[in-house]
Amino acid sequence: QKEVEQNSGPLSVPEGAIASLNCTYSDRGSQSFFWYRQYSGKSPELIMSIYSNGDKEDGRFTAQLNKASQYVSLLIRDSQPSDSATYLCAVERGSTLGRLYFGRGTQLTVWP
Amino acid sequence: DAEITQSPRHKITETGRQVTLACHQTWNHNNMFWYRQDLGHGLRLIHYSYGVQDTNKGEVSDGYSVSRSNTEDLPLTLESAASSQTSVYFCASSETGTASPKDTQYFGPGTRLTVL
Repeated sequence: QKEVEQNSGPLSVPEGAIASLNCTYSDRGSQSFFWYRQYSGKSPELIMSIYSNGDKEDGRFTAQLNKASQYVSLLIRDSQPSDSATYLCAVERGSTLGRLYFGRGTQLTVWP
Repeated sequence: DAEITQSPRHKITETGRQVTLACHQTWNHNNMFWYRQDLGHGLRLIHYSYGVQDTNKGEVSDGYSVSRSNTEDLPLTLESAASSQTSVYFCASSETGTASPKDTQYFGPGTRLTVL
C-alpha cells in the first residue's frame, strides 16, 4: 500500500461547480497534511495545510481531515478555469517530522 | 524577498558524465529536499537534509549524492548520468520538523535534465 493515495482522475467539472479531491494515507500517526497545486510546467505551490480533525476554509478552498478514517479532502467551490491544474496531497508522518510523502496527484480540468 | 532558486533551469548531458544541480535558498531554512518528478510517478524524494553536515537518503537515491556545507545550499550530484535520470528535478526547503506550518515545503522552479 502506498503511503498516500489520491483519486486517480482526471477530474473534469464545469465552471462554477464544486470540485472534490480526495486523499487517503496509510500511517495512522501522521500529523500534518498539505494540499499543493501544480500548473503544467511549474513547481508545486501550497494551497492549504491542516493539522486537526474537521474543516478548514480559505476563500473558495476547504480542506477536510478525518484522522480516524485516514482521509483528507480538498473542496474547491465556484471552480474557475484558472483552477485547472494537478493537485498534490502531502502527508507528514509523526515518525519522520519534516519529511513529506506525496500522492501522485489528481489532474483537474474546469471547463467554461 | 526570500526565495529558493535552482540552476541551471535546463540541462542536456551525455550518459556517463557527472552533473551537479544547484539549489540555493535565502529563507535560512534548516530542511532542504531534492525530488524528481516523472509522469506516472509523482514526486519522489531523492535526498534530504535537516541541517549543515546532515544528509539522508530518500526513496530513489541510487546514483545521486548531496552534501550540505552551509544552510543556504544543497547541490545534487549525479555521479555518472544515465538515461533513466532524465527527469524534472525540484528542490524544496522548510523551516523545521515540528508538525506545524513551519513544516510547509516551498519549492524551487525546477531543473529539466535530459541525459542522452
